[in-house]
Amino acid sequence: EAQLVESGGALVQPGESLRLSCAASGFTFGKYWMSWVRQTPEKGLEWLADIRQDGSEKLYVDSVRGRFTLSRDNAKNSLYLQMDNLRVEDTAVYFCARDVGISKTTNWWFDVWGQGTMVAVSS
Amino acid sequence: IVLTQSPGTLSLSPGERATLSCRASQSASNYVAWYQQKPGQTPRLLIYASSTRATGVPGRFSGSGSGTDFTLTISRLEPEDFALYFCQQYGNSLYTFGQGTKLEIK
Repeated sequence: EAQLVESGGALVQPGESLRLSCAASGFTFGKYWMSWVRQTPEKGLEWLADIRQDGSEKLYVDSVRGRFTLSRDNAKNSLYLQMDNLRVEDTAVYFCARDVGISKTTNWWFDVWGQGTMVAVSS
Repeated sequence: IVLTQSPGTLSLSPGERATLSCRASQSASNYVAWYQQKPGQTPRLLIYASSTRATGVPGRFSGSGSGTDFTLTISRLEPEDFALYFCQQYGNSLYTFGQGTKLEIK
């Protein structure tokens, strides 16, 4: 069974950094695009970024581009999200998710989600 | 792309039919996915490619639509169906979610 387990969430102050990790198991991690998605009660679900199977391509939403960096280690079946210069509005539950879809189309979705890790940014 | 889900809250009784709407601000994709989320749980994929049920999803769940208008229908509500539902699209190299419809017991 495919599983994703996030870790690294914490309470930090504005301007600080945090690194989230996502450990994958039960599937061939290196064959999939992977994403980070966050959720707040106010804004709902927000996709943040994803990364190609070999790490050669990364896409980010405007709100985190330049502050967040996505990476992966296929040998360790792990996905990472380095978050710098954190803001109060980054407070959320952060999920990693597996991208699935049809190449060169807009038919893409998330079929496996982690349980989430909480990030709180407050002074 | 902005996805607008309606209604925000839907109050129905078990056994009734639920119709949830997801409207896109532009026709960037002919596809939508639907997710169910219960309190304290992770989102669960229900429907992808607008109308294909994910593995293990009961037949009472169905999806339809194309262009800018998409619908998730639950034919006869079971007690476990009362939850939060999100739609999602991919277009212009990014994913977008609707704000959610809360399906509550009347």
